[in-house]
Amino acid sequence: AQKITQTQPGMFVQEKEAVTLDCTYDTSDQSYGLFWYKQPSSGEMIFLIYQGSYDEQNATEGRYSLNFQKARKSANLVISASQLGDSAMYFCAMTFSNDYKLSFGAGTTVTVRA
Amino acid sequence: DTGVSQNPRHKITKRGQNVTFRCDPISEHNRLYWYRQTLGQGPEFLTYFQNEAQLEKSRLLSDRFSAERPKGSFSTLEIQRTEQGDSAMYLCASSQTELYGYTFGSGTRLTVV
Repeated sequence: AQKITQTQPGMFVQEKEAVTLDCTYDTSDQSYGLFWYKQPSSGEMIFLIYQGSYDEQNATEGRYSLNFQKARKSANLVISASQLGDSAMYFCAMTFSNDYKLSFGAGTTVTVRA
Repeated sequence: DTGVSQNPRHKITKRGQNVTFRCDPISEHNRLYWYRQTLGQGPEFLTYFQNEAQLEKSRLLSDRFSAERPKGSFSTLEIQRTEQGDSAMYLCASSQTELYGYTFGSGTRLTVV
């Protein structure tokens, strides 16, 4: 069975500090894609970052980086220099081989404090 | 192109009524997905189209739910005989390839009273 686990339901972080959001997954597939999405209170899902299972380097997009540890089946999101606008729900999601649909974890709520 | 558009943004309906939601994907995207999201949870896959063909339906999609994508452009999701348990956010997404992510609409929030 394929499963995505986000164990942190909620986190508080001080403005300008870094925060790491955990994501672990369980799959026997060799080919898969890992995604992180941000969902502010307005509801839209905003794509942040993508990592392919065969990518050797960790993905980075601006202040977002994905700490991909394939052997441990983890794909943690690191947000550097947190801003108040980063307060939102964050979802880890995956696609599996020959399957285009996204499967989501339960999400982590991040609240950035001034 | 301004992204994925969903209408209406909010819908309140009485139990037993039928509702229809519309999704307009990014024009060059051939894949379109519907998801349902309840409060505090991650989105759950409902169904997926490649062009006009509906290629997969989740077991969550009971026979009260039907989705179409005529001519491979916009899509509609209809719920017949709504129940209170149908209250959720219904999200539409489109993609061309998975490499660049999936673009989501702002969703339609359904409340069944």
